[in-house]
Amino acid sequence: DSGVTQTPKHLITATGQRVTLRCSPRSGDLSVYWYQQSLDQGLQFLIQYYNGEERAKGNILERFSAQQFPDLHSELNLSSLELGDSALYFCASSTRPRGETQYFGPGTRLLVL
Amino acid sequence: DQQVKQNSPSLSVQEGRISILNCDYTNSMFDYFLWYKKYPAEGPTFLISISSIKDKNEDGRFTVFLNKSAKHLSLHIVPSQPGDSAVYFCAASATNAGNMLTFGGGTRLMVKP
Repeated sequence: DSGVTQTPKHLITATGQRVTLRCSPRSGDLSVYWYQQSLDQGLQFLIQYYNGEERAKGNILERFSAQQFPDLHSELNLSSLELGDSALYFCASSTRPRGETQYFGPGTRLLVL
Repeated sequence: DQQVKQNSPSLSVQEGRISILNCDYTNSMFDYFLWYKKYPAEGPTFLISISSIKDKNEDGRFTVFLNKSAKHLSLHIVPSQPGDSAVYFCAASATNAGNMLTFGGGTRLMVKP
């Protein structure tokens, strides 16, 4: 158990819908990262937050957004969902924003029908 | 453009023998490297890391070697155990460019009893 929690574990929805994925980092970690794992793209970095501020952006679509709240939990919002958004979404956390090992949560499996 | 590559999609090893997993990278800005182990439908589990100022790091049965001139790292597992069977990902980050991880495509290790 990494100490990072993610909810829900599974999510099934329809195209065009909007969903919110939630992540709670390890106790004491200020930095949260979101990654997407799809069959054709592997594990890809989406976005990083550090102590409530956006720190880095990767291959995140404009239909996706995220935020980190004062209690340090983070939410990833996916809107106008398409079939290709079906994937595993992982959250990771680290204490500092740089040069640190990231610990991953169990993931949310999203299926868009 | 794949900046981190694991050229062997799978590896089969006999229990008790050495497993060697390889990873190549192209971005010379990478200065922190990690290995993660992953089971299906679970999040990546951190195994071991190495900073670019070192060429070797050891933790129990796991040793990571870094060859900066060749832009190559390897993970050695000795002795291999059936419980080591999983997908192994190498990942890299560039401290001066944030902490986002760039992952290789993974190598599936099967340790036969």
